[in-house]
Amino acid sequence: QVTLEESGPALVKPTQTLTLTCTFSGFSLNTPGMRLSWVRQPPGKALEWIARIDWDDDKFYSTSLKTRLTISKDSSRNQVVLTMTNMDPVDTATYYCARTRLEDYQQFLDVWGKGTTVTVSS
Amino acid sequence: DIQLTQSPSLLSASVGDRVTITCRASQGISNYLAWYQQKPGKAPELLIYAASTLHSGVPSRFSGSRSGTEFTLTISSLQPEDFATYYCQQLNGYPPWTFGQGTKVDIK
Repeated sequence: QVTLEESGPALVKPTQTLTLTCTFSGFSLNTPGMRLSWVRQPPGKALEWIARIDWDDDKFYSTSLKTRLTISKDSSRNQVVLTMTNMDPVDTATYYCARTRLEDYQQFLDVWGKGTTVTVSS
Repeated sequence: DIQLTQSPSLLSASVGDRVTITCRASQGISNYLAWYQQKPGKAPELLIYAASTLHSGVPSRFSGSRSGTEFTLTISSLQPEDFATYYCQQLNGYPPWTFGQGTKVDIK
């Protein structure tokens, strides 16, 4: 059974750095073709894809956020860490991690964590 | 970045209705498009990938199609558990990827 769970602070202050951890089980990020994405959703708004890390350590970021994001993995611990610097109230959102598969040249986010809600406020 | 425009933003329908949601890409993305369903307070769930391939366990009343840069999600006979918000996502090549703005399906 594949599961993912996000963890991190529920409240951060403006200008602080946010660190989120995705802990997963049931698959390995060492498997060729396996990837993991982060997606966020501000309250009442649409989903926004923000970052992805691949089995071979390739990394990809949202165009609008790339200067503030860093994604990394610890495959031995089955964890992916996302850091976002210089947090602002507009970054208030639920942050999801999702397994991202590559199958016959198609990519898709097939299993999601429940999400973790982050509020940015002083 | 590739933009996705979903329509309508809100759709009111009754149980048993045939429902169609459209997602238009700002440039060609071949068939690299997925559809997700999200219920309030829950994480999104994958319905369809590769524009028309039903994800495992998804009821057959859901279907997807493509015509050029226009993609369609159809629910053939709306069930009570289908009232939710639906998002399309383009996964064309390397990221960045994008989602549509969502279509909320509510009870008429």
